[in-house]
Amino acid sequence: NAGVTQTPKFQVLKTGQSMTLQCAQDMNHNSMYWYRQDPGMGLRLIYYSASEGTTDKGEVPNGYNVSRLNKREFSLRLESAAPSQTSVYFCASSDQTGGRFFFGQGTRLTVV
Amino acid sequence: LAKTTQPISMDSYEGQEVNITCSHNNIATNDYITWYQQFPSQGPRFIIQGYKTKVTNEVASLFIPADRKSSTLSLPRVSLSDTAVYYCLVPTYSGAGSYQLTFGKGTKLSVIP
Repeated sequence: NAGVTQTPKFQVLKTGQSMTLQCAQDMNHNSMYWYRQDPGMGLRLIYYSASEGTTDKGEVPNGYNVSRLNKREFSLRLESAAPSQTSVYFCASSDQTGGRFFFGQGTRLTVV
Repeated sequence: LAKTTQPISMDSYEGQEVNITCSHNNIATNDYITWYQQFPSQGPRFIIQGYKTKVTNEVASLFIPADRKSSTLSLPRVSLSDTAVYYCLVPTYSGAGSYQLTFGKGTKLSVIP
């Protein structure tokens, strides 16, 4: 029972490079989310997708794009990475009741 | 959006019961209260959820008074492995069957041998 799977686990980018973070869930959840967590802070919402085919901005969307490829997969793209995007990124999904979110193990991204 | 307030940190000795209280003064009638646990280098993990009175599962208990303006997470007989950050969160409905969680810094619990 995998839950929410993120790839890669670690990544180092140079400023200006692009990359896509992948996320997949196997719980048949409609809603999926991308968060970032900076040291000593709580998680902040970047984008979310209420259902397949829809995406909406969260608290800190600038510099990111997302794609809800199908019900299982929700990817996060950095088109031109900046050092300020150095962070740990978490993907999550939730069921319709809203009370329970399931998080992936995170992607630790460093932009130099 | 229900704002939550909880202590930044707590220390406890192994074997003690730990109670972490959270205030959520502007909680809406339909809102639930949830608690998550986060270990270093891991994603948050759901612990417990409640609406009112008391909820208990194999990990913790959650006490919610009648006015629902606060809640208390109770961890019985903590061990070193309970050292983590604990978040009190109120999921907010954002439409189309989707909810949002707004994280604060949580409570960093340190269990001392």
